[in-house]
Amino acid sequence: EVQLVQSGPEVKKPGESLKISCRGFGYSFSSNWIGWVRQMPGKGLEWMGLIYAGNSETRNSPPFQSQVTMSVDRSISTAYLQWGSLKASDSAIYYCARHLRDSSRRFDLWGQGTLVTVSS
Amino acid sequence: QSALTQPPSASGTPGQRVTISCSGSSSNVGSNTVSWYQHLPGTAPKLLIYSDNQRPSGVPDRFSGSRSGTSASLAISGLQSEDEADYYCAAWDDSLNGWVFGGGTKLTVL
Repeated sequence: EVQLVQSGPEVKKPGESLKISCRGFGYSFSSNWIGWVRQMPGKGLEWMGLIYAGNSETRNSPPFQSQVTMSVDRSISTAYLQWGSLKASDSAIYYCARHLRDSSRRFDLWGQGTLVTVSS
Repeated sequence: QSALTQPPSASGTPGQRVTISCSGSSSNVGSNTVSWYQHLPGTAPKLLIYSDNQRPSGVPDRFSGSRSGTSASLAISGLQSEDEADYYCAAWDDSLNGWVFGGGTKLTVL
């Protein structure tokens, strides 16, 4: 089955580091882009960035440019989103999604989301 | 404030037709195709419409989309209770060189 499976919920303290994952199944992971999208509590979807799994080329949304790091491990078809020092405002659900850009751009396949809670 | 503007809420009764608007600018909706996503809280968002008016396999033809100038819209006909969800429009922005989303519209089926 074609799917993206994300890592489980995380509870962290401010200042801690975190790396969440998104593993692709059933398709050619290395031939596609992966996008990351944030949903803060009670808010809408926000695009964070894109990473091409083939060569790790990235596109970052300016508000997130210096806040997070995207990476991939092609050997295990997995994309990562990483924080070096979490803040309470990083509490949100984070979704990964496959980004297609053939005839038109779209996010056609989504992970189930990873809930990140940052609290002292 | 989102780059794309959607009404925060919409509602209709079963069987009705509802439309949700999405307003952008020349750098996004005005020059790139629009996609729509259905999101039920606690679940993964689902691609509903892409390339302005194309439905992925499995999406009922009750859902349709259109785009004109710097605006787009999603129409849902024959409204059903299971359509109650949040709906987001999105488009590539040439100035940002990235994606912009609408703020989302919460659809209530009365």
